[in-house]
Amino acid sequence: EPEVTQTPSHQVTQMGQEVILRCVPISNHLYFYWYRQILGQKVEFLVSFYNNEISEKSEIFDDQFSVERPDGSNFTLKIRSTKLEDSAMYFCASSPTGGRGTEAFFGQGTRLTVV
Amino acid sequence: AQSVAQPEDQVNVAEGNPLTVKCTYSVSGNPYLFWYVQYPNRGLQFLLKYITGDNLVKGSYGFEAEFNKSQTSFHLKKPSALVSDSALYFCAVRDSAVAGFQKLVFGTGTRLLVSP
Repeated sequence: EPEVTQTPSHQVTQMGQEVILRCVPISNHLYFYWYRQILGQKVEFLVSFYNNEISEKSEIFDDQFSVERPDGSNFTLKIRSTKLEDSAMYFCASSPTGGRGTEAFFGQGTRLTVV
Repeated sequence: AQSVAQPEDQVNVAEGNPLTVKCTYSVSGNPYLFWYVQYPNRGLQFLLKYITGDNLVKGSYGFEAEFNKSQTSFHLKKPSALVSDSALYFCAVRDSAVAGFQKLVFGTGTRLLVSP
C-alpha cells in the first residue's frame, strides 16, 4: 500500500540553526500538507501546497517557515532559524484532491528537538 | 471557527467489550468529519469519514462512527475491542462554511487502552 514517508525520524538542532524536514508524498497525490504536534497538544495545521504554490496557511506558518517541492517527488519544510518552541512532531500528509471530503494520508512524522 | 472536542483523555475497556470514543464538533456550515488512529512511532492512519448521507459510517479494522447532527457528535465505536486497538485516536473536522477548505482541525486525542 502506498504511503507517505518522512526523513529523518528524529532531528536534534541547535536554536538559531536552519532545519529541513523531508517528505515523499504518495505518487499520484496533488495536495500536500504539513502539520505539527507539540508534545501533549493538538495536531495543528501549518500549510497546504498545490500546483507548486501555497494554497492555505495558518497563523503559525510565519516568515521563518517555507515549503518547497524541489524535484517533483520530495516535499520539504524549512525552518530558517529554529526556536525552542519549534520542538514538535512534524507530520507531512498528502491527498489526491483538495476537496473538503477528501482524507489526508499522513507520514510517520519527524520529531524535531531544538536545544 | 470550527473546533472539535474529545472529552476523554483515556478510555479503558476490556477485550471483547464494546468501545466508544467520543467526539463533538462545532462548525458554521456542514461538517466533514474524520477519525484517525495513531499507533506508537507511527503516523496518523485514516479510519473513516462522514461527508453526507447515512449517519452510520463504517471504516477500517471494524470501526464505525455515528453522525448525530442534533447532538453535534461523531462518536467512534467498535462492537468488540481487541488489545491491538490500543492506540491514540483523533477526531478531526473541516467546515463547509470556512474559506479555505483544506485545513483539518483536530481534537486533542483520546488514548484507548484495551486490557486482555
